[in-house]
Amino acid sequence: GDSVTQMEGPVTLSEEAFLTINCTYTATGYPSLFWYVQYPGEGLQLLLKATKADDKGSNKGFEATYRKETTSFHLEKGSVQVSDSAVYFCALSLTGRRALTFGSGTRLQVQP
Amino acid sequence: NAGVTQTPKFRVLKTGQSMTLLCAQDMNHEYMYWYRQDPGMGLRLIHYSVGEGTTAKGEVPDGYNVSRLKKQNFLLGLESAAPSQTSVYFCASSYSFLAGSAKGYTFGSGTRLTVV
Repeated sequence: GDSVTQMEGPVTLSEEAFLTINCTYTATGYPSLFWYVQYPGEGLQLLLKATKADDKGSNKGFEATYRKETTSFHLEKGSVQVSDSAVYFCALSLTGRRALTFGSGTRLQVQP
Repeated sequence: NAGVTQTPKFRVLKTGQSMTLLCAQDMNHEYMYWYRQDPGMGLRLIHYSVGEGTTAKGEVPDGYNVSRLKKQNFLLGLESAAPSQTSVYFCASSYSFLAGSAKGYTFGSGTRLTVV
């Protein structure tokens, strides 16, 4: 079945460090890919998305590129801030499906 | 603020007890979903609804029932709670038929349920 695999956390970084959170997927078709973020005490929010191979999603300084050849959608940010501390979820959806398939989430802790 | 509201935020149940989780959205979304979040397993879909009066099973529906009597509300029921149902439950809603729509899903802040 379809699945999403994320790197285990927590990921602990100092402010202004470079961030990479790995995400790979398996799917029977050509999915759309997403990153959602969950801040403490809140629900998940859509961070960025990409709908086809080689697309790059970006938002709030975060980027992720849809790599069909490696079935990956790694999240990156050049300089993290304390306010980026949250749990990040990679997810996929297939055409015609009504629901998202999520990875297990990666907790990011940014220290001042 | 507009969005998805879940009640209650926390609950402790004894094995065998029943309860209902309420999800309310004020965005006029057609589609609503219930997920559970467990450590190391991400979010798994329990049930979903594509409109008022409709419900459908997701990935892990056993032990749960749902109802969508009003478009803005989606209720999740546990008839006889079990310790395996200890989890964080999230409700979500969406405007578009496709999960890949531009606006994505809007999530509630979750209900933390412990069954002892």
